[in-house]
Amino acid sequence: AQSVTQLDSQVPVFEEAPVELRCNYSSSVSVYLFWYVQYPNQGLQLLLKYLSGSTLVKGINGFEAEFNKSQTSFHLRKPSVHISDTAEYFCAVRMIKAAGNKLTFGGGTRVLVKP
Amino acid sequence: EPEVTQTPSHQVTQMGQEVILRCVPISNHLYFYWYRQILGQKVEFLVSFYNNEISEKSEIFDDQFSVERPDGSNFTLKIRSTKLEDSAMYFCASRNDENTGELFFGEGSRLTVL
Repeated sequence: AQSVTQLDSQVPVFEEAPVELRCNYSSSVSVYLFWYVQYPNQGLQLLLKYLSGSTLVKGINGFEAEFNKSQTSFHLRKPSVHISDTAEYFCAVRMIKAAGNKLTFGGGTRVLVKP
Repeated sequence: EPEVTQTPSHQVTQMGQEVILRCVPISNHLYFYWYRQILGQKVEFLVSFYNNEISEKSEIFDDQFSVERPDGSNFTLKIRSTKLEDSAMYFCASRNDENTGELFFGEGSRLTVL
């Protein structure tokens, strides 16, 4: 079984400041890692994913994340946030070897960007 | 850009009533999922569906829930006798046959049980 922990339930941040959202996971097998964003009253949209290769992955809207296998972490960062980044962000994992397997989500981090 | 569509966007029902939530996955996708999100809580897996059968289900997905792909395009979630605690946002998702494929989510159906 897998589990995902997002340590911060809410992160207030000023516009143009950097932000980091922490994600740690636990799994007995290798996993793929994902970050999804949910804008107010909308569905889940993929920001980025780590499948293999370079541990630093870049996604949409200027976000990037770094996979750290030894720390079982996949923290999300953006160097300069915009008001439009106000949303809830979900980290998720999926087992590599199971083709039809589900995503397991963390509890989410709500980012509020202040002017 | 292809997308997953869900209907209705919001449904209000009385406790004990049957509800059917509908989803049209992306046309060439083969794996289908339902998730739910109770207000203020995490997104929880309900069920996955492949090759016309359930491939995995969570403990939430009890006998009150069922899924169906009746006509090759729609993917439905039925709740036979709704309870207050079924109030949530229900998300449909689909994925292609590549093992690395991402899940594409619909915008959700908000179910309110009174």
